[in-house]
Amino acid sequence: KAGVTQTPRYLIKTRGQQVTLSCSPISGHRSVSWYQQTPGQGLQFLFEYFSETQRNKGNFPGRFSGRQFSNSRSEMNVSTLELGDSALYLCASSRQGGETQYFGPGTRLLVL
Amino acid sequence: ELKVEQNPLFLSMQEGKNYTIYCNYSTTSDRLYWYRQDPGKSLESLFVLLSNGAVKQEGRLMASLDTKARLSTLHITAAVHDLSATYFCAVDIKGSQGNLIFGKGTKLSVKP
Repeated sequence: KAGVTQTPRYLIKTRGQQVTLSCSPISGHRSVSWYQQTPGQGLQFLFEYFSETQRNKGNFPGRFSGRQFSNSRSEMNVSTLELGDSALYLCASSRQGGETQYFGPGTRLLVL
Repeated sequence: ELKVEQNPLFLSMQEGKNYTIYCNYSTTSDRLYWYRQDPGKSLESLFVLLSNGAVKQEGRLMASLDTKARLSTLHITAAVHDLSATYFCAVDIKGSQGNLIFGKGTKLSVKP
């Protein structure tokens, strides 16, 4: 069974730009969660989607948004990028959202 | 607010030695997870602990959960170099799905 995939793997952007990251969950998984990982703040929850609906949201500004499609694939978007948005963005999938989450390889975003 | 604290944050061990990583959390949770992360890589699921007194073992790693003390431990037996990685514990907020709160991680270095 294929694992969680994320594209692109690496991105370099400049301040003020926007970026869209993509995540394809494990087949049969309907819950997708997004996390930001930085050396200073560690792993922080961004949001979770299930059946195209956002069920939970972390404490991030409105510049961070996401969506989920009918095939469970998910995207997250960050608008008006700031230097502090440089991070590894991880998505994770699970069947329903209340069990073990399986993580993708991550997208490493560098904002210059 | 749910907080998860791990200690130690850094651990340097010699091969063949035993050690324990501790994970304390501040409020009731449905599940506790342990993940491993190698440098530059994503998170790999190690264990999920569901109930008080739960114990799981895989190779040289054993995890346990005491829900009354809100404490989980990850015990390393006869460490080998291949165990060098960062280990995270994570809990989910009771009733919340797909939202994991992570500890800061314990960076383990096993030296010959």
